[in-house]
Amino acid sequence: AQSVSQHNHHVILSEAASLELGCNYSYGGTVNLFWYVQYPGQHLQLLLKYFSGDPLVKGIKGFEAEFIKSKFSFNLRKPSVQWSDTAEYFCAVNDGSSNTGKLIFGQGTTLQVKP
Amino acid sequence: DAGVTQSPTHLIKTRGQQVTLRCSPKSGHDTVSWYQQALGQGPQFIFQYYEEEERQRGNFPDRFSGHQFPNYSSELNVNALLLGDSALYLCASSLLATNEKLFFGSGTQLSVL
Repeated sequence: AQSVSQHNHHVILSEAASLELGCNYSYGGTVNLFWYVQYPGQHLQLLLKYFSGDPLVKGIKGFEAEFIKSKFSFNLRKPSVQWSDTAEYFCAVNDGSSNTGKLIFGQGTTLQVKP
Repeated sequence: DAGVTQSPTHLIKTRGQQVTLRCSPKSGHDTVSWYQQALGQGPQFIFQYYEEEERQRGNFPDRFSGHQFPNYSSELNVNALLLGDSALYLCASSLLATNEKLFFGSGTQLSVL
C-alpha cells in the first residue's frame, strides 16, 4: 500500500532562514507527487506538483521541490522563508495511472517562522 | 468564480446518530472527492464521485456513503456515528478529463459526543 512519511512534525525558523522539509513515499510504480499548504484559517491549496519531466519543480511563492526516484523522496525547499510562510505543509502522492482524486497524504509539518 | 463550498462549517452530534455533509464543487468541475482529517493528521481519502457514481473508495466502512447530484454537488453521509468519527471533513473538486489539480473546501468540523 502507498504511504507517505514526513520527517519533521514541527519546524521553527527565523525569517530569512532556509527551509527543507523531508518527504518520503512508499510505492513501487509510477507516482504523481504534490505539496499542499494550509495557511492559518484557510483551505488546503496546491504549492507544486510533479508528474513527469524535470525532477526539480518550482511552485508558488518561491518554493521548489526535487524528486529523487532512487530515494523515493520529494523534499520541499525555500532559500529564504518569510513570516507569511507560517502554515502546515502536506506532502501527497497518488498512483501515476490514476487521476488526482485519490491522494495519500503525509501527516503534515507545522512550520512556524519567527519575525 | 466560486471555489469549493461546504456546509455546515461546524456540527455536533451524539454517538449513534447520522449526519449529512454537503459540498458544491468549483464552477466547471465534475468530480468530487471526500477526505477525513483527524486532529494532527493528514487528510485520508474516503471516496470520489464522478457522473453520480462512486468511482474510487478508500479504506472506510460502509457507514460512510455518498451521493453526487446532476449539478455535480455531493453529499457525504455517515451512519451510526462513533466518537472516532470526530474530524474535519474536506471536500475537493477537480475536472476528471484534464487531470487537473484538486481544489479543497474549508471543511466541516464534526464533533461526536
